[in-house]
Amino acid sequence: GAVVSQHPSRVICKSGTSVKIECRSLDFQATTMFWYRQFPKQSLMLMATSNEGSKATYEQGVEKDKFLINHASLTLSTLTVTSAHPEDSSFYICSAHRGWSEAFFGQGTRLTVV
Amino acid sequence: SQQGEEDPQALSIQEGENATMNCSYKTSINNLQWYRQNSGRGLVHLILIRSNEREKHSGRLRVTLDTSKKSSSLLITASRAADTASYFCATDAGSSNTGKLIFGQGTTLQVKP
Repeated sequence: GAVVSQHPSRVICKSGTSVKIECRSLDFQATTMFWYRQFPKQSLMLMATSNEGSKATYEQGVEKDKFLINHASLTLSTLTVTSAHPEDSSFYICSAHRGWSEAFFGQGTRLTVV
Repeated sequence: SQQGEEDPQALSIQEGENATMNCSYKTSINNLQWYRQNSGRGLVHLILIRSNEREKHSGRLRVTLDTSKKSSSLLITASRAADTASYFCATDAGSSNTGKLIFGQGTTLQVKP
């Protein structure tokens, strides 16, 4: 089956630094990927839609300058959390769709900003 | 914005019992999916049911969909301790069909051995 790989699985960074998270579709091409954020004991909130070769589409309330998304190839999208602060600590998950039905999710990245 | 409501928020049962989780949504959909998430991990796709389907089975899972009530249920039969996880329903964006998923709040299931 399709696999989406996300890296790193855990990252701890200092406040003010930037962190890059990668999301790869391993056996299919994904023109669109999605980035979600999940706070402890809460559900997934869609942050943005990553579009291959064009700008990402951000959900309302998500700062595009803070969460930079790059989708340079059909198998890779990156999310960079810039100037991270403790309130950005969260679980970030990407997904990619094969066709328009089932979504495949990465393993998630636990970001802790200290 | 999140549109799904799930109940119960938490469910604790004994191994062997059945577990039923419910999900309601607000807008029209093309399909509804159920996912499982073990603590601190990614999501595992369980089952997808299309808007023109009313019931679907997969192993010990049974999903129903009532589009008139905008609700779905997930039944896990003969539960096992390994079923302990959080379960989320997710709907697509309906007619826009962009591939976005809107998640319910989730049900945390604990199956006691």
